[in-house]
Amino acid sequence: TQLLEQSPQFLSIQEGENLTVYCNSSSVFSSLQWYRQEPGEGPVLLVTVVTGGEVKKLKRLTFQFGDARKDSSLHITAAQPGDTGLYLCAGPKTSGSRLTFGEGTQLTVNP
Amino acid sequence: EAQVTQNPRYLITVTGKKLTVTCSQNMNHEYMSWYRQDPGLGLRQIYYSMNVEVTDKGDVPEGYKVSRKEKRNFPLILESPSPNQTSLYFCASSPLWSGVTYEQYFGPGTRLTVT
Repeated sequence: TQLLEQSPQFLSIQEGENLTVYCNSSSVFSSLQWYRQEPGEGPVLLVTVVTGGEVKKLKRLTFQFGDARKDSSLHITAAQPGDTGLYLCAGPKTSGSRLTFGEGTQLTVNP
Repeated sequence: EAQVTQNPRYLITVTGKKLTVTCSQNMNHEYMSWYRQDPGLGLRQIYYSMNVEVTDKGDVPEGYKVSRKEKRNFPLILESPSPNQTSLYFCASSPLWSGVTYEQYFGPGTRLTVT
């Protein structure tokens, strides 16, 4: 079973702080995706990482795919209240056309 | 505007009363899927469809049915709802040109309560 474990589960920080959330697995994934979900809405895709060691930047968000393609991290620089939300990682199962999701990291950025 | 729509957004029903949650996408995506989201369990896939008339079970298909008669629509059917199906449901679609990544575009969700 391909599981994705996210840590921490909950994170509450002050505006302006930096943070990193993690998505780990014992299995190799061909790619990993990161989504952000705000209350009352569906998850929204932020980024997909495909190549081991890949780093992608989206404004203040930096995503990294582990060299072995078993883990990924999301780093936010100078967090803002608008970054508040549930961050989910997901990856396609080797069986084919199905996705597995991590349980998410609930981030709260206080003004 | 490219989007996935779901209806209804909120539904309270009683045990055993058949219901259908509709899902429609206007992006011409081949792949569509249903998920349920529960506290502590995350997002779990119920059913998915690779194209018209092609559907397959996800991780938690028991108690649900789906159909894909048109490319844009993928309704979720609960023939005899039970309280353990109380959950937040999301429909999602994905273009198959995204290859093996299956990047999902989610609808706004349907909060279902079965009493």
